[in-house]
Amino acid sequence: DSGVTQTPKHLITATGQRVTLRCSPRSGDLSVYWYQQSLDQGLQFLIQYYNGEERAKGNILERFSAQQFPDLHSELNLSSLELGDSALYFCASSPGRIQETQYFGPGTRLLVL
Amino acid sequence: DAKTTQPPSMDCAEGRAANLPCNHSTISGNEYVYWYRQIHSQGPQYIIHGLKNNETNEMASLIITEDRKSSTLILPHATLRDTAVYYCTPTSYSGAGSYQLTFGKGTKLSVIP
Repeated sequence: DSGVTQTPKHLITATGQRVTLRCSPRSGDLSVYWYQQSLDQGLQFLIQYYNGEERAKGNILERFSAQQFPDLHSELNLSSLELGDSALYFCASSPGRIQETQYFGPGTRLLVL
Repeated sequence: DAKTTQPPSMDCAEGRAANLPCNHSTISGNEYVYWYRQIHSQGPQYIIHGLKNNETNEMASLIITEDRKSSTLILPHATLRDTAVYYCTPTSYSGAGSYQLTFGKGTKLSVIP
């Protein structure tokens, strides 16, 4: 158990809909990272937040957004969903924003029908 | 970003040492090499990391060549529970003091009874 929690574990929705994925980092960690893992693209970095502020962006679509709240939990919002958004979404956390070990949560499996 | 090359798959007999190679010839001087593994579709699990020196922890050993262009992860006594996809991922600077992990396709290690 990494100490990172994600909800829900599974999500099934329809195209065009909007969903929110939630992540709670390890106690004391200030950085949260979001990753997407699909069959054809592998594990891809989406976005990082540090202490409530966006720090880095990866291959995140404009239809996707994230935020980190004062209690440091983070939410990833996916809108106008397409079939291709079906994937595993992982969040990870680390103590700060420098080169520190990231610990991953169990993931949310999203299926868009 | 540093690119990595790993063999797509490897087999190892149970109880023997598993040696997983990774080529990261474009790694920069201040980029760490991290190793994670992913069992089925679970969240990636941190194994070990290093910068220049060889490292050892309770899970594995990491051997980094002097020129830092390649590394080898060693699982000293592989068990069936070590069957997983192993990712070698250098950190890469993404601005604002942040470093990211870049995952490739990894090596699928199968431990054979």
